[in-house]
Order: sequence, then structure tokens, then C-alpha cells
Amino acid sequence: DIQMTQSPSSLSASVGDRVTITCRASQGIRNDLGWYQQKPGKAPKRLIYAASSLQSGVPSRFSGSGSGTEFTLTISSLQPEDFATYYCLQHNSYPLTFGPGTKVDIK
Amino acid sequence: QVQLVESGGGLVKPGGSLRLSCAASGFTFSDYYMSWIRQAPGKGLEWVSYISSSGSTIYYADSVKGRFTISRDNAKNSLYLQMNSLRAEDTAVYYCARDFPPDYWGQGTLVTVSS
Repeated sequence: DIQMTQSPSSLSASVGDRVTITCRASQGIRNDLGWYQQKPGKAPKRLIYAASSLQSGVPSRFSGSGSGTEFTLTISSLQPEDFATYYCLQHNSYPLTFGPGTKVDIK
Repeated sequence: QVQLVESGGGLVKPGGSLRLSCAASGFTFSDYYMSWIRQAPGKGLEWVSYISSSGSTIYYADSVKGRFTISRDNAKNSLYLQMNSLRAEDTAVYYCARDFPPDYWGQGTLVTVSS
């Protein structure tokens, strides 16, 4: 199975900050990676697919990059509604595997 | 708009069975792969199972293989998860999700396995 790690596991940031979250795969997954945002008590929402493509309707302050084993999610200017937990998901091979999540909270 | 509504969750004893349903609307259900994904209380996300648009291709996580069965009825725009031999570690919110990789998710249904 492909193991996914995320760093940091949590971070505190202020509105307007630039935030970067990293996801690493235990083996190369090309660009078969997505990023999801989950708020407490809610279903996850996809932000990024194919590592760098922005999901329709998602604000342009979210961006993704990377290929192979290392990927990043960047929020260019953190907004109050962005405080949430973020997960990466690899779909290169079965079983699909998620990263453990990165919780972004208010400093 | 895309809507996925799960149902069928509840409290069940270890060793028991439960059948989850997911009603889809707002898109052509028969065109899309579908998945079940779960989240134990306070934990991360775990992919459970996937079924192709026709139902001919199915995959399971090792943790549920041989106990869970995914199926779909394209005429009823519905996805199902039959869960047998349930264990305490199956306690989770179960989400159905559209497409591969998943794009839209339902709100989830809680399954609690406890004596």
C-alpha cells in the first residue's frame, strides 16, 4: 500500500497569512493526488484534483503543486472560512489512501 | 445540483449486520464510479470500497474485504453497502462519494458497533 504523510499535523495562522501544507507519498504517484477540506461535522470538500487543478467553485487563493512523491497545498491569503482540516488523497493505486490530515486553526 | 444522501446507519451489536444506502440526484448516476469512505470518531478518512459505473469492477480495503459488499442499482440511482460481521472498529461515519477520484460527498451516516 502507498503510505501518505502530511506536514505539519497542525498549524496556527492568522487571517491573511500564506499557508503551505505538504503531502508525501511512499512511492511515486505521478499527479494522482487530490486535496480535501473538512470542517467539523461536515463532509469533505474537494479543493484540488490532479495535484494542481482547481475544483470548480473553489477560490483561487487555493493552489496545488507537485508530482511524483511530494505535493503542496498553498492558501495564498488565509480567510476566516479556511480554518479546517485538510487531507490529501492518492488514487494512483488501490487501496486509495489519505494523509492523516493537517488542522489549520486561528492563531 | 449534485446531491448524495446516505441512510441506514445506527447502533448494531458486534457480529451484526447493517445495510447502508446512498440516494443520488442531480447527475446521471449511471455514468459515474462511486465509493464508500468512512471516518471513525475524531479520526482521519479511510477509503472503504469502490464500484465502477456498470458495477462490473469492485475494490475493497483489506479491513473490510470478505465482510462488506458494495452494490448499485442504476435504475434507482442508488448505491449500497452491505456490512456483515461488524466489529467495534467499524464504528464511523460512512460517506458515499461520486466519481474516481471522489469529487462530491454526501453528509454521511453514523454506524456505531457496540454491545
